[in-house]
Amino acid sequence: KNEVEQSPQNLTAQEGEFITINCSYSVGISALHWLQQHPGGGIVSLFMLSSGKKKHGRLIATINIQEKHSSLHITASHPRDSAVYICAAIQGAQKLVFGQGTRLTINP
Amino acid sequence: DSGVTQTPKHLITATGQRVTLRCSPRSGDLSVYWYQQSLDQGLQFLIQYYNGEERAKGNILERFSAQQFPDLHSELNLSSLELGDSALYFCASSPQIAGGAETQYFGPGTRLLVL
Repeated sequence: KNEVEQSPQNLTAQEGEFITINCSYSVGISALHWLQQHPGGGIVSLFMLSSGKKKHGRLIATINIQEKHSSLHITASHPRDSAVYICAAIQGAQKLVFGQGTRLTINP
Repeated sequence: DSGVTQTPKHLITATGQRVTLRCSPRSGDLSVYWYQQSLDQGLQFLIQYYNGEERAKGNILERFSAQQFPDLHSELNLSSLELGDSALYFCASSPQIAGGAETQYFGPGTRLLVL
């Protein structure tokens, strides 16, 4: 069993739909990253959070430390949101343990 | 643009060879991290350097080594290359001033193909 599990592995939705990607972890963490990897391969850090909720534009990330679970939500999804979304648990000061990623496709 | 640069972008080489990947962190960032992304293993943490010193080690093979220089750029050396080393290699940087968890900024990656 992976230390960081994401679901679903693949998600296809229509433009405008509300998207939820889940991340569960079994290790002790100091924080959790949500990353976005574009089809070209580049990785962008979307959020780093250790408690509660963060919002940036149409993206919202939440974390429940007691339940060892985090979610990434996308409101009013758009084709340009199509990417692989990766959660990464931060162990200790900086070691990242990655989930396998969720491939999101938003159709127009 | 994250401010992290990596060279080369693409590298094609043969089994048994040695290559060096280079990473320049964002201006002012003291920490550099190396990651490997392969099709079967996903993203894996390899190693972290902070201000020239090794700080944390992950799943880095003995055939691989890294260092961070006084100007804070870092190099990842891969030797005795095998087909399975074909992957995308990312570096990332963070300020690591106060310690604790920080946002990491990723470079564009080096795509290595071993034939």
